[in-house]
Amino acid sequence: DAGVIQSPRHEVTEMGQEVTLRCKPISGHNSLFWYRQTMMRGLELLIYFNNNVPIDDSGMPEDRFSAKMPNASFSTLKIQPSEPRDSAVYFCASSSTIGELFFGEGSRLTVL
Amino acid sequence: GQQVMQIPQYQHVQEGEDFTTYCNSSTTLSNIQWYKQRPGGHPVFLIQLVKSGEVKKQKRLTFQFGEAKKNSSLHITATQTTDVGTYFCAGVGSARQLTFGSGTQLTVLP
Repeated sequence: DAGVIQSPRHEVTEMGQEVTLRCKPISGHNSLFWYRQTMMRGLELLIYFNNNVPIDDSGMPEDRFSAKMPNASFSTLKIQPSEPRDSAVYFCASSSTIGELFFGEGSRLTVL
Repeated sequence: GQQVMQIPQYQHVQEGEDFTTYCNSSTTLSNIQWYKQRPGGHPVFLIQLVKSGEVKKQKRLTFQFGEAKKNSSLHITATQTTDVGTYFCAGVGSARQLTFGSGTQLTVLP
């Protein structure tokens, strides 16, 4: 298996622009997680899905952030409008149960 | 809510020295996981501990889960430069939610 696939790997955008990050989980995994990592705040859980249904989105910073999982093999995290404080590495991870998480390589977002 | 604290935040050791990172949860955990993140990389699963008092070894790495299932430790014997990275614990609580600690960044000086 190719593992968790994230795109883009790097994104540089200007404040106010819409950003869409994409994730393809490992086939057969029924849980998907979006994390944000910064030096100041470490690894923060933004949202997680189980069987494509959002279970806990309490970590989503504000209404500018939204996440969808239209099917078992694809998820998006959207930021609109983006702000400089959103600059971070965004990781997607999947798991078969509450077992080990398999992380993607991350999307490094820079908002100017 | 569930909180997982990890210390120290940073650790510098000379190659060959031992290293330990500690993890403490505010609530009893059903299990705890450990991950390693190399600089510029992504977290990679190392191990999961489930039983009270459990001890597991992976070569030079020893993982322990406390008797009360509220704390855990990772000990590396005779560190090598390949051990460089950030080590995270992640606890699973009663709500089946995984909470990551803040991580310990290990630097190994040659």
